[in-house]
Amino acid sequence: AQKITQTQPGMFVQEKEAVTLDCTYDTSDPSYGLFWYKQPSSGEMIFLIYQGSYDQQNATEGRYSLNFQKARKSANLVISASQLGDSAMYFCAMREVNRDDKIIFGKGTRLHILP
Amino acid sequence: DSGVTQTPKHLITATGQRVTLRCSPRSGDLSVYWYQQSLDQGLQFLIQYYNGEERAKGNILERFSAQQFPDLHSELNLSSLELGDSALYFCASSEGQATDTQYFGPGTRLTVL
Repeated sequence: AQKITQTQPGMFVQEKEAVTLDCTYDTSDPSYGLFWYKQPSSGEMIFLIYQGSYDQQNATEGRYSLNFQKARKSANLVISASQLGDSAMYFCAMREVNRDDKIIFGKGTRLHILP
Repeated sequence: DSGVTQTPKHLITATGQRVTLRCSPRSGDLSVYWYQQSLDQGLQFLIQYYNGEERAKGNILERFSAQQFPDLHSELNLSSLELGDSALYFCASSEGQATDTQYFGPGTRLTVL
């Protein structure tokens, strides 16, 4: 079974609109961390946001926020007021604290922002 | 700029050859991770080192090996290269605690001809 599922292979969104990228995860470990990374066409992996499984509040970093619904095992990334520079591949990832330190990545969602 | 450096940026080589990829972690980070990103397999964790010692192993082939040196830089050695080894290889670093964010380097694009 996949540990991280990103059901949207691609999305097209108008500039300035908000966008939600879906991510569901599967773990039996009570302690885990969830990450979102952005990979522009240049190839580098850019860390966006982190949510710990015990965090009470949803994480926010500027225009990025994480809609964390623990019971549903969902960790959707919300980008407010999208910009052309947000066009990239977005990866959801998870680390299970009691296993090892590796991060498991989803297959990614390619986001296209339209002018 | 994440603070993680990787060299070289691009590498083109032939099947059967051996190459070494190098990574310098962010200042103060003790953990180094190696990942492979290919079109068909996505992002796959290969191996992790913490303060010079191997800590976790993922989908790393026996033809591949890595080490972390006393100055904390790391090298990934790929030998008997095959066409299927062509991929983007990332190094990431973190302070070392399980909940720490991993910061990625720019990657080395390996092309095996």
